[in-house]
Amino acid sequence: EVQLVESGGGLVQPGRSLRLSCEASGFIFENHAMHWVRQAPGKGLEWVSGISWNSYSVGYADSVQGRFSISRDNAKSSLYLQMNGLRPEDTALYFCIRDVSRYGSGSLHVWGKGTTVTVSS
Amino acid sequence: QSALTQPPSASGSPGQSVTISCTGTSSDVGQYLQVSWYQQHPGKAPNLLIYEVNKRPSGVPDRFSGSKSGNTASLTVSGLQAEDEADYYCSSYAGTNIVLFGGGTKLTVL
Repeated sequence: EVQLVESGGGLVQPGRSLRLSCEASGFIFENHAMHWVRQAPGKGLEWVSGISWNSYSVGYADSVQGRFSISRDNAKSSLYLQMNGLRPEDTALYFCIRDVSRYGSGSLHVWGKGTTVTVSS
Repeated sequence: QSALTQPPSASGSPGQSVTISCTGTSSDVGQYLQVSWYQQHPGKAPNLLIYEVNKRPSGVPDRFSGSKSGNTASLTVSGLQAEDEADYYCSSYAGTNIVLFGGGTKLTVL
């Protein structure tokens, strides 16, 4: 069974850092680009970041550019999101998603259940 | 990076068809074929309905169809059923591993 399991969320003070992880199973991880998408409480979906299969191509939303960093370890079938300088507006449920293609088509096929990040003092 | 534009709400009676629009620009929807649609029920993760404008992943009923004309993409739900009541989001590739989402449309089955 194809599965994505996020972890690392929690309550953090503004300005601090947090690292999200996503463990993939049930498919060949290195055959797919991966993404992070977030959803603030009661709000819509916001794409955060994406990374190609070989990490050569990465992209970020303007709202997180310079603060967040996406990475992956194909040997461990894992995706990461390093979040620095967190702000209250980063509070959201963060989803890990598998792309249809290796290079990042934006077709977000398989979604994890998400991990919650709350930024508050 | 600007969000794609969707109507906030749509509705239809069981058995009817409803179409939801998604308007972008010549730099995203108008330029790329990688336009997708997602369905999200309350408290659940989104589910991919349509990708590459009009392709359906395995398991998605053919009542769901997609199209695109210029800078506007559309999702049509035919033969509305009660379980189709959900939030629907469009997305488009916008180059260099950038993805844009629409603001979402709440579909009500009357």
